[in-house]
Amino acid sequence: GQQLNQSPQSMFIQEGEDVSMNCTSSSIFNTWLWYKQDPGEGPVLLIALYKAGELTSNGRLTAQFGITRKDSFLNISASIPSDVGIYFCAGQDTGANSKLTFGKGITLSVRP
Amino acid sequence: DVKVTQSSRYLVKRTGEKVFLECVQDMDHENMFWYRQDPGLGLRLIYFSYDVKMKEKGDIPEGYSVSREKKERFSLILESASTNQTSMYLCAGGAGGVYEQYFGPGTRLTVT
Repeated sequence: GQQLNQSPQSMFIQEGEDVSMNCTSSSIFNTWLWYKQDPGEGPVLLIALYKAGELTSNGRLTAQFGITRKDSFLNISASIPSDVGIYFCAGQDTGANSKLTFGKGITLSVRP
Repeated sequence: DVKVTQSSRYLVKRTGEKVFLECVQDMDHENMFWYRQDPGLGLRLIYFSYDVKMKEKGDIPEGYSVSREKKERFSLILESASTNQTSMYLCAGGAGGVYEQYFGPGTRLTVT
């Protein structure tokens, strides 16, 4: 089936730094979503992208739908301790109805 | 705000027991999904439903069944729990025709 690749598995940054993470696929997706999951909780939707090239912001978060439709990027600026968590990308392709394909996530740690 | 609730946050069951996990959404959404989440494996789709009394198998349906008698409620059933079903179970809802999914807080099930 479809796979979304997120790497590395873990990232460690200093409070105040910016961080960028990406998500890639071997096939085209029509929709890209970014979620954050806090420990012991369900994922929370951060940003949804629907058009190739689209750039969308949500506070300190900015995400882009890659031009090739095979990738997406999430940037977090001026990180703070509460940014700690697991960041998942998810994509929807043409044949999947409302089903999503999820990446395995990147665990972000922020050092104060 | 969208709201998805799950009946239990933590559950401990014995091998062979029949287990019911309940999920309720207040968004009047057509689509509902059950996932399990395991370290290193990410989110895996168990079953989903696009309408009342309708269900479709996801990627890992073996050992599970579902019930959707009302639009707002989607139940996951473990007919005979086994230790390899120890996991975090996440329910999600989404509107028909769009791809954003909203997750509940999760149920951490331990089967001993």
